[in-house]
Amino acid sequence: QKEVEQNSGPLSVPEGAIASPNCTYSDRGSQSFFWYRQYSGKSPELIMFIYSNGDKEDGRFTAQLNKASQYVSLLIRDSQPSDSATYLCAVIYSSASKIIFGSGTRLSIRP
Amino acid sequence: NAGVMQNPRHLVRRRGQEARLRCSPMKGHSHVYWYRQLPEEGLKFMVYLQKENIIDESGMPKERFSAEFPKEGPSILRIQQVVRGDSAAYFCASSPGATGAGEKLFFGSGTQLSVL
Repeated sequence: QKEVEQNSGPLSVPEGAIASPNCTYSDRGSQSFFWYRQYSGKSPELIMFIYSNGDKEDGRFTAQLNKASQYVSLLIRDSQPSDSATYLCAVIYSSASKIIFGSGTRLSIRP
Repeated sequence: NAGVMQNPRHLVRRRGQEARLRCSPMKGHSHVYWYRQLPEEGLKFMVYLQKENIIDESGMPKERFSAEFPKEGPSILRIQQVVRGDSAAYFCASSPGATGAGEKLFFGSGTQLSVL
């Protein structure tokens, strides 16, 4: 079982719709969760982090965490073509000193 | 306030040569992490360092790869006797504190290593 599992996509949604990449993680003791966005040929950029169960909103982005289900998602409202990128879910494991990344979900916003 | 600086951006080596990748963390950051990324794949953790200490090297291949973060100067990822399979993007990230405390990573632009 992969430590952080994501569907590679592509996840294709029309402009203006809600896009929702998500991931699951294997360590039930994990405490910190991050979403990074990576454009092709560029470095990852932190867009959201969440530590507690529930929702955390920042502009058009909402991170959702369900520790019982070991599930993390990112809602992107009013999707724009500029949101087309790979979204990487990352988790700090309870026993580790490093951030473990999923393989990423490619998101494509159709104009 | 400069971000994480990596150089070179592109590095071409022939099989058997050595590759040295450099990373200067953001000002005030004392924790450095190296990740490798193959095309269409996620980031694979390699090593986590603090000044003069290797904290976690569980992702480093057992041979040919080494990393350091001296008291003065940048962090160096060194790959000896490179092979074609080493071709990848190598990203460095830094944080002000330990990620175990929830600190966030900030990434450099990466070094694209191509082995001919």
